[in-house]
Amino acid sequence: QKEVEQNSGPLSVPEGAIASLNCTYSDRVSQSFFWYRQYSGKSPELIMSIYSNGDKEDGRFTAQLNKASQYVSLLIRDSQPSDSATYLCAVNMRSGYSTLTFGKGTMLLVSP
Amino acid sequence: SQTIHQWPATLVQPVGSPLSLECTVEGTSNPNLYWYRQAAGRGLQLLFYSIGIGQISSEVPQNLSASRPQDRQFILSSKKLLLSDSGFYLCAWGGFANTGELFFGEGSRLTVL
Repeated sequence: QKEVEQNSGPLSVPEGAIASLNCTYSDRVSQSFFWYRQYSGKSPELIMSIYSNGDKEDGRFTAQLNKASQYVSLLIRDSQPSDSATYLCAVNMRSGYSTLTFGKGTMLLVSP
Repeated sequence: SQTIHQWPATLVQPVGSPLSLECTVEGTSNPNLYWYRQAAGRGLQLLFYSIGIGQISSEVPQNLSASRPQDRQFILSSKKLLLSDSGFYLCAWGGFANTGELFFGEGSRLTVL
């Protein structure tokens, strides 16, 4: 069974710190990887996508992918209280379609 | 820009009643469309996807069905709701490049009593 695992949290960090969110996946044929942010009661919002091993940076966000270890992570630098949300990791095993398998998410709390 | 509309936003239905959730996409043509459900304590689960009018793929066997009567319209239905159908239903578009990204609508929150 295809699985995506995340620590449910909450992960608590002070404002200005680096938040590190982790995700593992079970299917080695996974091709693309995504991080979504979901505020309470709202729909998920795509914040990062990564397709090859290594790091990808976008503003305060850095996604890291290690396919050999089946591991993907998201770093949030200079965390802000507005970053407090649930972060969903998603994995796609089929190219050309968005048939994603999601983890249950990690709740991040950034305290002022 | 592309916009996904879903309605109704919230609904409370008794067990055994029918269901119809609608989703429309603006700003694109021939989109790949998806229905996901987020139930309490569970991750987002893919229910159906469609690559064109009348083309529906089902990922999870259940008492739900989907239809795509028009290019930019995607409908989720049920003839008789179960308690386990409660959840947050999300319609999504697969983007222009079909690189696996998903862009979600505002969602429809269903409570079955």
